[in-house]
This record gives sequence, C-alpha cells and structure tokens, in this order.
Amino acid sequence: GAGVSQTPSNKVTEKGKYVELRCDPISGHTALYWYRQSLGQGPEFLIYFQGTGAADDSGLPNDRFFAVRPEGSVSTLKIQRTERGDSAVYLCASSLTISEANTGELFFGEGSRLTVL
Amino acid sequence: QKEVEQDPGPLSVPEGAIVSLNCTYSNSAFQYFMWYRQYSRKGPELLMYTYSSGNKEDGRFTAQVDKSSKYISLFIRDSQPSDSATYLCAMSARNSGYSTLTFGKGTMLLVSP
Repeated sequence: GAGVSQTPSNKVTEKGKYVELRCDPISGHTALYWYRQSLGQGPEFLIYFQGTGAADDSGLPNDRFFAVRPEGSVSTLKIQRTERGDSAVYLCASSLTISEANTGELFFGEGSRLTVL
Repeated sequence: QKEVEQDPGPLSVPEGAIVSLNCTYSNSAFQYFMWYRQYSRKGPELLMYTYSSGNKEDGRFTAQVDKSSKYISLFIRDSQPSDSATYLCAMSARNSGYSTLTFGKGTMLLVSP
C-alpha cells in the first residue's frame, strides 16, 4: 500500500480482555515504531524495531504490553489483561533507514483507537 | 516537569494571520527538532525538521531553533482554514540513537475564514 496501514481502526473491549493491534508498514521500510497517544496528549514512544528485532522497548509501560515483528514487515502490538487506562490511540510509524529516522521522517498510520470499558 | 512543554491552545486566528507556535524543552541532548501536523482522527505528518540551532523556511512555514534558550518555534504566514489542525513539536537526541521522538502535547490551531 501507499502508506502505513493499521487495523482495526477502532476496537472496543472489556477490562481484562486480550487485544492485538496490527501494523503494515510502507513496503521496504526497515524501521517500525509504536507510539501511544492519549486524549489531549502528544504521542508517547512505546517500542522500535529495526528489522525483526526490538531495538528499543524502553517505552512499553509494563509486561502486559508486547510487540512482535517476526518477518521484518508486519508488526503486532499485544496487550494482555487490558485496563481502562490503556484506552488511547495506538499509532504505528515506519521509516526507511535509521539515518532517515535521524531526521524524524517517520510516516505514521491513522492509528488504532482502543477503548477499554 | 515534562521534557517538552507546549501550550495546548486552542489558538484561534483569522485567515491571513501570521501564526506563532512554540515549544520549550529541558533536555539539552536534543539535537533534532521537528514539527508535525495532525488533523482530527489522522496520524501526524511531518512538516519540517531542523538540526541544532537556526532557521529553516519552506513556503509559508518557518521553523526556528534556539538551543541556548531551549526554545523552538514554527511560524505560519498567510494562514489558511486548511491549516486548522493540531501542531506537535517533536525532538530526538543522539543518546537515543535518534530512534525515538519526544513529543509535546500539541497546540490546536483554528483558522477562521
């Protein structure tokens, strides 16, 4: 596709349930990022992949959050035992190379809006 | 104190006005400075980036960085209703490998016809 694709666009779940959010980056982009944007706030970094490996997962808030990118393309963000405080828009971004990320040229998807009741 | 501070607005201006958007930051390690525009229910899109101090101009947009004051600005000339959006400043540092961005909370701009 032309841009970063995220599914689902909206997800409503109940407290305690498990959720998976998918990101399909721009073809050929090796770096992939997950950010979380709460209402009225800027995006907050969660995790960054270079290829298949998580190069930096320092932003994951706790061990209920996990992300994978098994083939170096599509990534899945997994949230276990969801809590109401997890409600936010989860943004995925990709970039060509680390050097391009140096200039902040991340290409963002439209996000997955998660609501935990 | 958050690493990046940004007034959330909203900032309301008439069409044609010059708009000034600003951020302050506390981390002296930040070296790359970016402005993103985010329309409602969309992802952020990069408007401009600058490295270290100085000015950069692109059409109606000018970005300024003053590292000595830890202050960055985005100016929009001849503002248009289509400029109505949330403007996010973002920064990155060498010690994070430039791979992570720290964002401000965004300023909502409303340009009325």
